[in-house]
Order: sequence, then structure tokens, then C-alpha cells
Amino acid sequence: GAVVSQHPSRVICKSGTSVKIECRSLDFQATTMFWYRQFPKKSLMLMATSNEGSKATYEQGVEKDKFLINHASLTLSTLTVTSAHPEDSSFYICSAPRPGASEAFFGQGTRLTVV
Amino acid sequence: GENVEQHPSTLSVQEGDSAVIKCTYSDSASNYFPWYKQELGKRPQLIIDIRSNVGEKKDQRIAVTLNKTAKHFSLHITETQPEDSAVYFCAASPNNAGNMLTFGGGTRLMVKP
Repeated sequence: GAVVSQHPSRVICKSGTSVKIECRSLDFQATTMFWYRQFPKKSLMLMATSNEGSKATYEQGVEKDKFLINHASLTLSTLTVTSAHPEDSSFYICSAPRPGASEAFFGQGTRLTVV
Repeated sequence: GENVEQHPSTLSVQEGDSAVIKCTYSDSASNYFPWYKQELGKRPQLIIDIRSNVGEKKDQRIAVTLNKTAKHFSLHITETQPEDSAVYFCAASPNNAGNMLTFGGGTRLMVKP
């Protein structure tokens, strides 16, 4: 079964509003989680590294004030898209490495549509 | 930073034929190379991975080869089946694990029955 759960799987919001996406590791603790963005028919692009108890590390070109990341516990990271615009519409996926395993476990993704 | 190129972007094969997808990477520090299969709207699923201390790895109909000198790695699927149809992504990481992955652009594989 899934070891990383992401919620919601689908969300539609109005321009200017904020949307929070949750990523949970279900049976392990994750001090680090990763957030990716995927446009239709495109590849996954790493947005940021979420670090438990400290600030997230953002990739070049990703606005940290726009995409707020909070890693408040060892099993939960949240991504908040603030003041959303239609161009923020995308598929957002988180991943978490399981201690002792090389595989990255992905959440099921969140399809965000901003209208 | 790392740059991963993937070819072809689309690949159509007849059921039973083999499919080969190739990737190149730029950062010699990368040491972990997973391949993911993604169906529409779903999460990527790891199908096979290889580390830089190994040149080839096989799992039933799927194999991956790695040439560190040339910085390229390939996915080989034999005896393709319609259910193999999906988008495949290669990726590279410098952490010997699935952290901070840089993905290739993806290959849409279509297996015709």
C-alpha cells in the first residue's frame, strides 16, 4: 500500500485565494520531503526540499513567498500556494525518502486548477 | 546543476517487441539512477533503479544499463505488453538515493496489440 499520502487529490480554487496541500509519511518518519511540480505532458520539476524543524530549500526560480512550505512534524509537510493564479494550475507531487531505503516514495499528487 | 536528457519523447512499438529509452546526464557526481512509470494522473512508480557501481541490472522483462564514462543510461523492456503503455521517466540523484531527483523529459510509450 501507499507509504506517502497526499491530500487533496484534486482542488479547484478561485484566483487570489490560497490552497494548502498536505503530504504525510504513513509508517515512517521523514526529516526531509520533496515537492515537485508537473505541467501537463511534461516532466517533474523539483520545487523545494522541505526540512523538518528548519526552513525549506527552494530551487532556483521558485518563489518562496508564493509557495510556502511548512514541515511541522516528522510525518507531515505542507505546501501552500498563496494568491493563486491560473498559471499556478498544475500537478503537485511530494515525495519522501524512507530511512534505510533508496527508493523515493511519491504521494498520489494534487491536481490544482485555478479559475 | 544536473541536467537529464531523455529520448525519444514518444515511442510506439508492436506488442511483443522490445522498447529502449535512453537518458544522458551531465553531473558526474550523480550516482543513483531510477526509472519511473507514470500512468495518467497517477503517481510515478519506481520500476527499476541502478547505482553507479553497477553497469547493468535486470528484473524480469526490464533491464537498465549504465555507462558512467559516457554519462548515459538506458531502459530496456522486452516482450512488451499493452499494459506497459505509460509515460516513463528517468532520473538522476547525487545522494545514492531518491532524494533531490532530476528527471528527464519523459517518454510516452505506446504498445499496440
